[in-house]
Amino acid sequence: GDSVTQMEGPVTLSEEAFLTINCTYTATGYPSLFWYVQYPGEGLQLLLKATKADDKGSNKGFEATYRKETTSFHLEKGSVQVSDSAVYFCALVLNSGNTPLVFGKGTRLSVIA
Amino acid sequence: EAGVVQSPRYKIIEKKQPVAFWCNPISGHNTLYWYLQNLGQGPELLIRYENEEAVDDSQLPKDRFSAERLKGVDSTLKIQPAELGDSAVYLCASSLGPSNEQFFGPGTRLTVL
Repeated sequence: GDSVTQMEGPVTLSEEAFLTINCTYTATGYPSLFWYVQYPGEGLQLLLKATKADDKGSNKGFEATYRKETTSFHLEKGSVQVSDSAVYFCALVLNSGNTPLVFGKGTRLSVIA
Repeated sequence: EAGVVQSPRYKIIEKKQPVAFWCNPISGHNTLYWYLQNLGQGPELLIRYENEEAVDDSQLPKDRFSAERLKGVDSTLKIQPAELGDSAVYLCASSLGPSNEQFFGPGTRLTVL
């Protein structure tokens, strides 16, 4: 079946550090890929997405590139802020039809000043 | 514009008691989703509605869970009777259509004692 694997957390970084959260996927078809973020006490929010190979999604300084050859969609940010502290979820949905979002387990990021 | 509204935000009940969660989607969104999020896991789809029709309920444990979306707007998810293992966060999401971005509510955190 379809699945998403992301690096275990928690991840603790100092402000202005470089962030990478790894995400790899297995899909029976051709997926679109997403990163969602969940701030404390809030619902999941779409952070960025990519719908085909080599696409780069970006938002709020975060980036992720759809790598079909390595089935990966790693999230990166050059300089994290305390306000980036949240749980990040990688997800996929098949482009072939009405299939559900499949989420990874989430990675908790804590940024300290 | 208001986002997806869920209530209650928190609920504590004893096992074998019934419980219900309510969701009001974003106005104009025809597709509504209920997800289950266990601690340390990503959300998993329970049921998806297109207007008032449940089009994907394959992951809904129908012996104790039920859902409805009368008039194709608000939705209610019910558990009767609740078990200890039902303790989790129940998320509601909505989208214009099944292929559009999903917007999530803040969730209802259920604790079964």
